[in-house]
Formats: sequence, structure tokens, C-alpha cells
Amino acid sequence: KAGVTQTPRYLIKTRGQQVTLSCSPISGHRSVSWYQQTPGQGLQFLFEYFSETQRNKGNFPGRFSGRQFSNSRSEMNVSTLELGDSALYLCASSLGGESFNEQFFGPGTRLTVL
Amino acid sequence: KNEVEQSPQNLTAQEGEFITINCSYSVGISALHWLQQHPGGGIVSLFMLSSGKKKHGRLIATINIQEKHSSLHITASHPRDSAVYICAVVRRTSGSRLTFGEGTQLTVNP
Repeated sequence: KAGVTQTPRYLIKTRGQQVTLSCSPISGHRSVSWYQQTPGQGLQFLFEYFSETQRNKGNFPGRFSGRQFSNSRSEMNVSTLELGDSALYLCASSLGGESFNEQFFGPGTRLTVL
Repeated sequence: KNEVEQSPQNLTAQEGEFITINCSYSVGISALHWLQQHPGGGIVSLFMLSSGKKKHGRLIATINIQEKHSSLHITASHPRDSAVYICAVVRRTSGSRLTFGEGTQLTVNP
């Protein structure tokens, strides 16, 4: 079974631009969660999507948004990029459903904002 | 105070040593993850546990729900075990979202 894939792996943008990151979950997984990792703040939860609906949201500004498609693939978008948005963005997939399931992480997208 | 605290923050060991990393948390949880992150960023889930003990090869994870404490043990450590080890909890009230500790940087010297 293929693992979680994320594209692109590396990205360089400038302040004010917007960016879209993509995550393809493990086949059969219906939940996708997104996390941001920075040296200063560590790993922080952004949001979770399950069956095309946002089920949970972290404490990030509205510039951070996401969506999930019917095939469970997910995208996250960051608008009006700031220098502080430079980070490793990780997605993780799980079976989803009512009870908590183990999450499997993708390789991440490293975003640099200049 | 962070909801998830790990100790130590940094750990250097000689090959073959027995290693313990500790994780304490202050909230009610549904489950606890131990994660491994190598340079370059990819994260691998080592264990998910909600009670007792799990073993996989040279790795052992234990959790004490009453004391809100978990440990990750590595027996016969090897330089390839060098990585950041992260404890993450699923709070009982937060669905699937993970809350992370700050990580423990482990270096195993040959």
C-alpha cells in the first residue's frame, strides 16, 4: 500500500503570495490532518478533514484554509504569505470514523517565504 | 506550562546503551503516539497506545494512565536510532487532533 504523499516537497514564495499544498492519503483513509512545524513553535495542529468536511480546527488565522475532495485528497491554502509562514507542513491520514485511529504522516512540504 | 512535557530535551548515548525518553501530560487523553523524525523532516509513527505496553523490535513503549506518564525505551541502541523522538497525545475532548511535546534529540555515537 502506498504511503501518504505530499506535493510539492519544496517551495519558495515571496511575501504576499499565496500557496496551495496537496496531500494524498493512504488508500481507504478518509481523514486528513494538517500540521505546521517551525523551530520556534514546534508541531502545531492546523485542521482536520473527514468526508470532505472540516471536523477540527487549530488556532491559526483565516489566511490558512483547506479542503478535501471526494477521493479524500486534501489541499491546504495559505494566502498573503508572511515570513513567519516559513515552515515544514505535514499532513497525516487515518481511517477516520468515530474512534481515534493511528495517524500516518507524509514526508512534508518545506515552504520558504522570502 | 505545556500540556505535553518530554525529558530529556537532548540525549547522547554510546552504541549499545539502553535509552529511556519520558513524556508527561496534564490532560485526559484517548491515546498517545510516539513519533520518530529524522533530518529532512519525515515523521514515522512508532507506537500508538492507550494502556499498558507495546514492543516492536528493540523499541518498547509504556503508558501509565493514572500517573499521566509514558516512556519510550530503546534497547541496544544503534547510530541509526539517532533522530528526534516526539510524544503526542490525543486529548479526550479534541477528536483526532494531536498535541505534541517538544521532542527529544537523540544522538547515538558508534
